[in-house]
Amino acid sequence: EVQLVESGGGLIQPGGSLRLSCAASGFTVSSNYMSWVRQAPGKGLEWVSVIYSGGSTYYADSVKGRFTISRDNSKNTLYLQMNSLRAEDTAVYYCAREGRVGATSHWGQGTLVTVSS
Amino acid sequence: DIQMTQSPSSLSASVGDRVTITCQASQDISNYLNWYQQKPGKAPKLLIYDASNLETGVPSRFSGSGSGTDFTFTISSLQPEDIATYYCQQYDNLARRFGQGTKVEIK
Repeated sequence: EVQLVESGGGLIQPGGSLRLSCAASGFTVSSNYMSWVRQAPGKGLEWVSVIYSGGSTYYADSVKGRFTISRDNSKNTLYLQMNSLRAEDTAVYYCAREGRVGATSHWGQGTLVTVSS
Repeated sequence: DIQMTQSPSSLSASVGDRVTITCQASQDISNYLNWYQQKPGKAPKLLIYDASNLETGVPSRFSGSGSGTDFTFTISSLQPEDIATYYCQQYDNLARRFGQGTKVEIK
């Protein structure tokens, strides 16, 4: 059974850094396209970043240069390093697996990141 | 950048009604368009991929159509359990982009 479990969210001050983790089971992270998607409170879904099985990475303009997606193949875990955090980064962050290219078939439960002083 | 415009932002319909949501891309995206359902407090669920393909296990009352810039998502007979917010999502080699969402309520 495919499972994705996020961790690392919390309250952080503006300008701070946070690293989110997504522990995967039931499949191999490095063989799949993996994404982070976020949802601000009461708002819609916003795609954040994707890492392809070949290692290429892409980002939404809103986080480019501040966020870095990566994976640890030995731990079968996906990460999102978030630097220079802003109030507008406050959201639930979902880890997601694309079972089909471009289409997310499995989602984690989400982890809440709150950026506030 | 490609922009996705989804409408309406909300709708109210009766059980058994046919419900239609549209999504328009700012440029030709072929059939690289998916539809998701999200219930409150839950992660989204993939319903339709590549514009018109029903994801495994999804009821047949859900359907999608379109290509190029104009896409349609349809619930043929609205059920109480279909109350949710629905999102279109475009993808290409460089990014994925969601529409603004459509909140579906029972009248």
